[in-house]
Amino acid sequence: SYELTQPPSVSVSPGQTARITCSADALPKQYAYWYQQKPGQAPVLVIYKDSERPSGIPERFSGSSSGTTVTLTISGVQAEDEADYYCQSADSSGFYRVFGGGTKLTVL
Amino acid sequence: QVTLRESGPALVKPTQTLTLTCTFSGFSLSTSGMCVSWIRQPPGKALEWLALIDWDDDKYYSTSLKTRLTISKDTSKNQVVLTMTNMDPVDTATYYCARISPERGLDYWGQGTLVTVSS
Repeated sequence: SYELTQPPSVSVSPGQTARITCSADALPKQYAYWYQQKPGQAPVLVIYKDSERPSGIPERFSGSSSGTTVTLTISGVQAEDEADYYCQSADSSGFYRVFGGGTKLTVL
Repeated sequence: QVTLRESGPALVKPTQTLTLTCTFSGFSLSTSGMCVSWIRQPPGKALEWLALIDWDDDKYYSTSLKTRLTISKDTSKNQVVLTMTNMDPVDTATYYCARISPERGLDYWGQGTLVTVSS
């Protein structure tokens, strides 16, 4: 089955830059999406189509893509950014969605 | 304003069939490109994509669960129904429905419903 690989955890101090990666073979052909999930809450879309930011999402959230890896970057991390982050994409057919295993962002 | 709400039993017994309903508003599943998807999350674990149905009534299922899942829609009621057969304690999870828009992916989510599988 198709898988997206994320690091289990990333830790940064407030004000620093956090980078969370997601890797998979089909990523050059399929868009990636990023979701933020805080405890007890539903996920929230923070990046779509690799690098687009929905309205209402702070500018410090950005996305990029290079080959088989996409990256979520949070610049000037704030305490409120502490959450689990999931990448999501589709297999090469485009029909079957998949989520990465999630990355826990800890703000030290 | 787009909203989605999941409903269904909070507790099911092993081997039973689970039926969940997603009731949505603020968009039409008849609009070209629109889809509704189901996703679940076991306690303390990652999100898992389950199924989706699109505006044209095409259906796609997780390869690992496809023999147990059925997704359907009632456009007139703005509802999408997911059934999962032969429930097991490992299926205990929060089940979410979400809208998939052509441009932004899973852009709106319901609040989720916790389903516990236990005898």
